[in-house]
Amino acid sequence: SQQGEEDPQALSIQEGENATMNCSYKTSINNLQWYRQNSGRGLVHLILIRSNEREKHSGRLRVTLDTSKKSSSLLITASRAADTASYFCATDLNTGNQFYFGTGTSLTVIP
Amino acid sequence: KAGVTQTPRYLIKTRGQQVTLSCSPISGHRSVSWYQQTPGQGLQFLFEYFSETQRNKGNFPGRFSGRQFSNSRSEMNVSTLELGDSALYLCASRGQPGMDGYTFGSGTRLTVV
Repeated sequence: SQQGEEDPQALSIQEGENATMNCSYKTSINNLQWYRQNSGRGLVHLILIRSNEREKHSGRLRVTLDTSKKSSSLLITASRAADTASYFCATDLNTGNQFYFGTGTSLTVIP
Repeated sequence: KAGVTQTPRYLIKTRGQQVTLSCSPISGHRSVSWYQQTPGQGLQFLFEYFSETQRNKGNFPGRFSGRQFSNSRSEMNVSTLELGDSALYLCASRGQPGMDGYTFGSGTRLTVV
């Protein structure tokens, strides 16, 4: 079964608002990554947070990681219409170099 | 530097045929992974190769196979195609497993009729 699950499955907001997506996972991880996918295209790597980190920033993105709760969140501030995409978390496990994607959150930013 | 290149971009095949998809990773990346993406199942891991060795394999039937060449280019093959194999097949490469993020190609859209 897939390692990660995103919540919510779909999110619709107005341009300029903040968008928050959550990811829960099941087992011990080496790192957790977030990716964006525009419709029918390949995934774009957004940010990687290691298991010993609690928060990381990249431009308008802020990622938090709580290993005790096995959860992560992705915050996109001041959203733009171009942020409309599906967002996936992916967990890099400690064992066997296995890498699993979650189910994704579909974000729609309304201009 | 050039990104991950997948060929072909689109493919239409008939049930029972076989297909080979190609992936050229970013120069210097030795790890290549393949994923199948469908609306119903999401992103499903197929296999990962590192330095020509298959390191991990997902839960797919033996009809799905792959290989990696000495230049890190990879191919995946699906034999005896079924309608359910219609999907977007994504290839991704990374420099160091467990340390780096993946860079994905644009994918190959396979339609089985």
